[in-house]
Amino acid sequence: EAGVAQSPRYKIIEKRQSVAFWCNPISGHATLYWYQQILGQGPKLLIQFQNNGVVDDSQLPKDRFSAERLKGVDSTLKIQPAKLEDSAVYLCASSLQTSGAYEQYFGPGTRLTVT
Amino acid sequence: AQSVTQPDIHITVSEGASLELRCNYSYGATPYLFWYVQSPGQGLQLLLKYFSGDTLVQGIKGFEAEFKRSQSSFNLRKPSVHWSDAAEYFCAVAPRTPLVFGKGTRLSVIA
Repeated sequence: EAGVAQSPRYKIIEKRQSVAFWCNPISGHATLYWYQQILGQGPKLLIQFQNNGVVDDSQLPKDRFSAERLKGVDSTLKIQPAKLEDSAVYLCASSLQTSGAYEQYFGPGTRLTVT
Repeated sequence: AQSVTQPDIHITVSEGASLELRCNYSYGATPYLFWYVQSPGQGLQLLLKYFSGDTLVQGIKGFEAEFKRSQSSFNLRKPSVHWSDAAEYFCAVAPRTPLVFGKGTRLSVIA
């Protein structure tokens, strides 16, 4: 079974530029999550999708971050414009259903450096 | 608000020695509890989870964890550490669906 795929693995941009990350979840997983992991901290949820609908985006900085999950499969996370404090690893995860009981499977992450 | 505390930022153990990583949580009821491991440049891998029942849970790679309701703790243990266990370890709780993570404990293993 293929795992969660993310691309790119690394990205370096200058502040005020835009960037997009892509995630392909495990086949059949209805729920998709984007987490932000700042160096020295645990991952923090940015947004959660159930199929192609948003379940929780309360911690997403909506003035600069956006995400979509078209057709309930792949997802993209965009930052525009980027700030220095956006430097982090962006992790995508998926699970079968929306419930704490279902294991979340994580991708390798995208490491973003904003200079 | 729910929170997870991992009091040890960095732990160094000798190969073959035993290991215990601490985790305390703050939540009104018993949440789902997890331990994840993250190797450099990798995503998170689930080591074990507790939902209910037996308070001692076994996981992969020889790890186990014990849930203690009275102490709101879910400590991770391994009787004999291998050099390949060097990584970052995260405790997480799921009161609902979004996982709430601790800040992690970095484990170094020395010969």
